[in-house]
Amino acid sequence: DTGVSQNPRHKITKRGQNVTFRCDPISEHNRLYWYRQTLGQGPEFLTYFQNEAQLEKSRLLSDRFSAERPKGSFSTLEIQRTEQGDSAMYLCASSSRDGQYNEQFFGPGTRLTVL
Amino acid sequence: AQSVTQPDIHITVSEGASLELRCNYSYGATPYLFWYVQSPGQGLQLLLKYFSGDTLVQGIKGFEAEFKRSQSSFNLRKPSVHWSDAAEYFCAVGPMEYGNKLVFGAGTILRVKS
Repeated sequence: DTGVSQNPRHKITKRGQNVTFRCDPISEHNRLYWYRQTLGQGPEFLTYFQNEAQLEKSRLLSDRFSAERPKGSFSTLEIQRTEQGDSAMYLCASSSRDGQYNEQFFGPGTRLTVL
Repeated sequence: AQSVTQPDIHITVSEGASLELRCNYSYGATPYLFWYVQSPGQGLQLLLKYFSGDTLVQGIKGFEAEFKRSQSSFNLRKPSVHWSDAAEYFCAVGPMEYGNKLVFGAGTILRVKS
């Protein structure tokens, strides 16, 4: 088990372009979370999946953002028509159902810079 | 609304000195409480968590935290800081329901001077 992985680790794009990030959770973890972290702030929740079902979306997730987890394994986060305000670290976490509460294991993040 | 306050943006301590990082939360019910550490280029690593029971919890790397309900606080402590502890520390709260989102504080950057 190599932990949660995220690709790419860094992405630089021009305003208006679309970008897609990938998250591979720990195998057999059925919950997957996306968070966004801007400079000087803690992570902010964006959305989460249980298996392939997207169960909650934050109001931070505008209609330019879409997340999928098609087979209940890896997940993608797409941002369309990027804006400079989208520049942030995008973190993915996963957890499994094991007991009353499940620790979320975080990946290293994808740092997005929008020029 | 749920919120977490970490009043100290930066803290500098000497190696070998004791450390206390403050965390206050606002939550409608009894939450689950967490401390995470983030080193540059690394993901968030869980240091410790509080669910119920003994209000003093032990974590990894020699850290401990004390839950004080009356003060809505969950302060992180370490008796003797090592240079490798330099990182950013985040306090977080989560609901008691299974597997829901975490609400994080803004973080405290710890610098260790030799």
